[in-house]
Amino acid sequence: NAGVTQTPKFRVLKTGQSMTLLCAQDMNHEYMYWYRQDPGMGLRLIHYSVGEGTTAKGEVPDGYNVSRLKKQNFLLGLESAAPSQTSVYFCASSSVAYTGELFFGEGSRLTVL
Amino acid sequence: KQEVTQIPAALSVPEGENLVLNCSFTDSAIYNLQWFRQDPGKGLTSLLLIQSSQREQTSGRLNASLDKSSGRSTLYIAASQPGDSATYLCAVGRYGGATNKLIFGTGTLLAVQP
Repeated sequence: NAGVTQTPKFRVLKTGQSMTLLCAQDMNHEYMYWYRQDPGMGLRLIHYSVGEGTTAKGEVPDGYNVSRLKKQNFLLGLESAAPSQTSVYFCASSSVAYTGELFFGEGSRLTVL
Repeated sequence: KQEVTQIPAALSVPEGENLVLNCSFTDSAIYNLQWFRQDPGKGLTSLLLIQSSQREQTSGRLNASLDKSSGRSTLYIAASQPGDSATYLCAVGRYGGATNKLIFGTGTLLAVQP
């Protein structure tokens, strides 16, 4: 009954360091998404994937890379972290492209010093 | 550009009261609208999903309505309980690309006082 699982839940980085956030879903969903949530700005789409081996840019993709090597996993990478990337990151998945319900993970809180 | 606004940003009510949360959007060309609940430090949980062809959806004490022509949706919560305290977000699904792209509002923080 896991749904969407994100690791790690918390991380503190120094400027310039790199890291990867992992999202895993066990619902066999085709579509996966990475969002960031910042105070007063709502959730914004970073990157998304419409299936294994595919990725696409969302609203705010700069400074991030993603990979979807396996259908159940969607990785979000920061190659050189910046303080502006301090945020809460959410992964989500859905089974249907346009009309489907989204299922979210519990979030990963990242602080870049 | 689609913009989603939720007013008020925060709301406090006594237990048992019926209440309405508002969501407005600027572009009526949507394919769905979802209401989510977010508890502190947690992810989002989908409450109700209204397709563009629908006018409302109901789940238990929750009722969501959609009026595309006026760019408005409301979430009605009947007989509120302290356990309803959370942030409620609406998100509009827009066309474009190959997937479900949602534009989120900034949410209404609801506190139900016992």
